[in-house]
Amino acid sequence: AQTVTQSQPEMSVQEAETVTLSCTYDTSESDYYLFWYKQPPSRQMILVIRQEAYKQQNATENRFSVNFQKAAKSFSLKISDSQLGDAAMYFCAYQETSGSRLTFGEGTQLTVNP
Amino acid sequence: GAVVSQHPSWVICKSGTSVKIECRSLDFQATTMFWYRQFPKQSLMLMATSNEGSKATYEQGVEKDKFLINHASLTLSTLTVTSAHPEDSSFYICSATLDSFTDTQYFGPGTRLTVL
Repeated sequence: AQTVTQSQPEMSVQEAETVTLSCTYDTSESDYYLFWYKQPPSRQMILVIRQEAYKQQNATENRFSVNFQKAAKSFSLKISDSQLGDAAMYFCAYQETSGSRLTFGEGTQLTVNP
Repeated sequence: GAVVSQHPSWVICKSGTSVKIECRSLDFQATTMFWYRQFPKQSLMLMATSNEGSKATYEQGVEKDKFLINHASLTLSTLTVTSAHPEDSSFYICSATLDSFTDTQYFGPGTRLTVL
């Protein structure tokens, strides 16, 4: 079974600085999808960024970018120019095929200090 | 677009009673809906996958007779917690996907269940 591991239960960053959240996963598949979701105190899950495994180019969404290392099965999230509103729980998620279930990591609680 | 709602957002019930939680896709037809459970400060754990018009597929360890899932239409799935007990208290989240060709899941805002 696929597993997703986030080794950093908590991270903190100063406002306007850059922070990187780590995620590793285990799979025997060659094509799959990876996601980062944000869960603020409201607990609404918000999609931050997605990556298709067959694409070598790292996905970017404004201040959010990923470092996708397929061979190492690593999928880290970089948040640039951190803002107070970025404070949330961040979950890395794996999806084997389009439309199928998501497997989530344990989450990383990000604190942004003013 | 792609909005998913859940109702109620918060429910308190007595032990032994049943509670129904609704998950609706407001502006799209969802062929598949997923139900997750989340304990405080923990990750989301998939409970079951629900496809319109067919029986839900439950994850190992999830009691299907206790957590009844019905996906009667392309815009509505319901989760009924039967004979609820305090240990069923949790945050329940649904998500929906457009079709098997779309990888993105759209999440509802969640339902907090407290069983007294």
